[in-house]
Amino acid sequence: SQTIHQWPATLVQPVGSPLSLECTVEGTSNPNLYWYRQAAGRGLQLLFYSVGIGQISSEVPQNLSASRPQDRQFILSSKKLLLSDSGFYLCAWSVPPEAFFGQGTRLTVV
Amino acid sequence: GENVEQHPSTLSVQEGDSAVIKCTYSDSASNYFPWYKQELGKGPQLIIDIRSNVGEKKDQRIAVTLNKTAKHFSLHITETQPEDSAVYFCAAADNYGQNFVFGPGTRLSVLP
Repeated sequence: SQTIHQWPATLVQPVGSPLSLECTVEGTSNPNLYWYRQAAGRGLQLLFYSVGIGQISSEVPQNLSASRPQDRQFILSSKKLLLSDSGFYLCAWSVPPEAFFGQGTRLTVV
Repeated sequence: GENVEQHPSTLSVQEGDSAVIKCTYSDSASNYFPWYKQELGKGPQLIIDIRSNVGEKKDQRIAVTLNKTAKHFSLHITETQPEDSAVYFCAAADNYGQNFVFGPGTRLSVLP
């Protein structure tokens, strides 16, 4: 069966520090991978999606970047965090059309 | 591009009553309509989905209906229980999963 791992579960980082969130998927090949952000009490904002290794599409220009170094690995990064980067970050995988989410990372920038 | 609207934004029901959440979409190319349940502090979980060649699908207390002509679909929860309290998201996508758009969510509270 397919599973998705996302870590860490919670993270507190100072303004200006770098960020690296990792997501891996098991049990499937060549999935579409996504990063979403969710502000408190709000909906799901698509940040990046990838249909293959090294292929990244950005939906919202911002302080973040994504990379897909391996088929089932998706990384969200920032060189310098802003206060506005705080939120709940969700990784998702899809073998179209079905999509499944990880458990999320709660990021607080202080 | 696709636009998905969802109503109501909040919904309170008494335990045992039914709850209905409605969504509309704009892109006639969409043919896959999933529903997700998100509990506090967790990722959204797929609870039911429907494809455009089906008008209704049921799984125990949960059912989804689709009217492709009118471009709207609904989630029905019967005999609600306190553990049904969560935020529910609808979404619309095509078969290629490259046009996956979520509604803004509905916060459902089931009162004991």
